[in-house]
Amino acid sequence: LAKTTQPISMDSYEGQEVNITCSHNNIATNDYITWYQQFPSQGPRFIIQGYKTKVTNEVASLFIPADRKSSTLSLPRVSLSDTAVYYCLVGVIRPTDKLIFGTGTRLQVFP
Amino acid sequence: DVKVTQSSRYLVKRTGEKVFLECVQDMDHENMFWYRQDPGLGLRLIYFSYDVKMKEKGDIPEGYSVSREKKERFSLILESASTNQTSMYLCASSLGGRDNEQFFGPGTRLTVL
Repeated sequence: LAKTTQPISMDSYEGQEVNITCSHNNIATNDYITWYQQFPSQGPRFIIQGYKTKVTNEVASLFIPADRKSSTLSLPRVSLSDTAVYYCLVGVIRPTDKLIFGTGTRLQVFP
Repeated sequence: DVKVTQSSRYLVKRTGEKVFLECVQDMDHENMFWYRQDPGLGLRLIYFSYDVKMKEKGDIPEGYSVSREKKERFSLILESASTNQTSMYLCASSLGGRDNEQFFGPGTRLTVL
């Protein structure tokens, strides 16, 4: 079972790059790595997904080393509105007993 | 845009009551999920459905059941609510297959007294 481990919290300042790492030592061959963002009183929102190497979209990059035992979400030039909880999800939709959310990293961005 | 709606944002029930939480998605998604979210525990999957009338247990199915009679609607049922089921309940849907992009509803905060 690909249990995930993330830092509980991180602080940053506006304009800085933030990297949040998730460890998943028991990741299986078929597992994808997905990151979500959650604001208070809202459901999580999909940010990015990858399988290996690097994936980039308009809001973030995801770096996955060759052994896939960890992944790093990179947020370039954060703003106050990026203050949220970020979740790493490892697994596949089926079987769902392998779809595991981490406990999340609370990112606080200061002016 | 995908829209996932949940029947209530806040709900207060008494111990022993039967509770229905409803979730509707409007994008013809195959997969639907029910999670609960508790401080320090993150999101935990209760049940998953990959098709009408089909379901799979998640991490914590005890004390819950689900119903999916129509593709767009997924119901979570607490047969006899207990105080330890006080939580935030989140519904999600995804397109299908191996796609992990789930779209979440706003959540229902359930308090069981």
